[in-house]
Amino acid sequence: NAGVTQTPKFRVLKTGQSMTLLCAQDMNHEYMYWYRQDPGMGLRLIHYSVGEGTTAKGEVPDGYNVSRLKKQNFLLGLESAAPSQTSVYFCASSYTRSTDTQYFGPGTRLTVL
Amino acid sequence: AQSVTQLGSHVSVSEGALVLLRCNYSSSVPPYLFWYVQYPNQGLQLLLKYTSAATLVKGINGFEAEFKKSETSFHLTKPSAHMSDAAEYFCAVRGSNFGNEKLTFGTGTRLTIIP
Repeated sequence: NAGVTQTPKFRVLKTGQSMTLLCAQDMNHEYMYWYRQDPGMGLRLIHYSVGEGTTAKGEVPDGYNVSRLKKQNFLLGLESAAPSQTSVYFCASSYTRSTDTQYFGPGTRLTVL
Repeated sequence: AQSVTQLGSHVSVSEGALVLLRCNYSSSVPPYLFWYVQYPNQGLQLLLKYTSAATLVKGINGFEAEFKKSETSFHLTKPSAHMSDAAEYFCAVRGSNFGNEKLTFGTGTRLTIIP
């Protein structure tokens, strides 16, 4: 099993450009999550999904959109990138909620100039 | 709502010494608590979790943590530090009530091991 994979690993954008980050998991997990990690702030939840076709807002959803058209994929979109969105983005998945372990991908380092 | 506070953004210990990383939580419902480790340029990996069973939880790589309700704490310990323990450690909390899917992370503690 590959676990959780993220594409791309690195990306540099100019302000106003758009892009989509792809997360894929092969563990048949129901729940998927997008976090951003910034120095001194830990991980903050952007959006999450509790199943195919469903999404919900997390702690810092503004400026991002998500889609979960297939159970194994969770896409994070930036429609008009801003320098404040420079961060490392992590995707995670879990079988169910609460007690279940979240498995993390390797991260995507995004720089917005 | 729940939150965690990690005391000390940087901790340095000598190789072979005790590792103690502090985490205090706040939760309006009985919590589930987690410790994750992040090695450089990698994603997070679960070390251990407390889910209302035994209060002393043993994890991977010789780490353990004790849930203390009276102190609202879930400190991470390891008796003897190894060079390979150098990493960033995150405490996280989730409520045990139905419909609570969100994991709230602390700001992290970077552990340095001195040879």
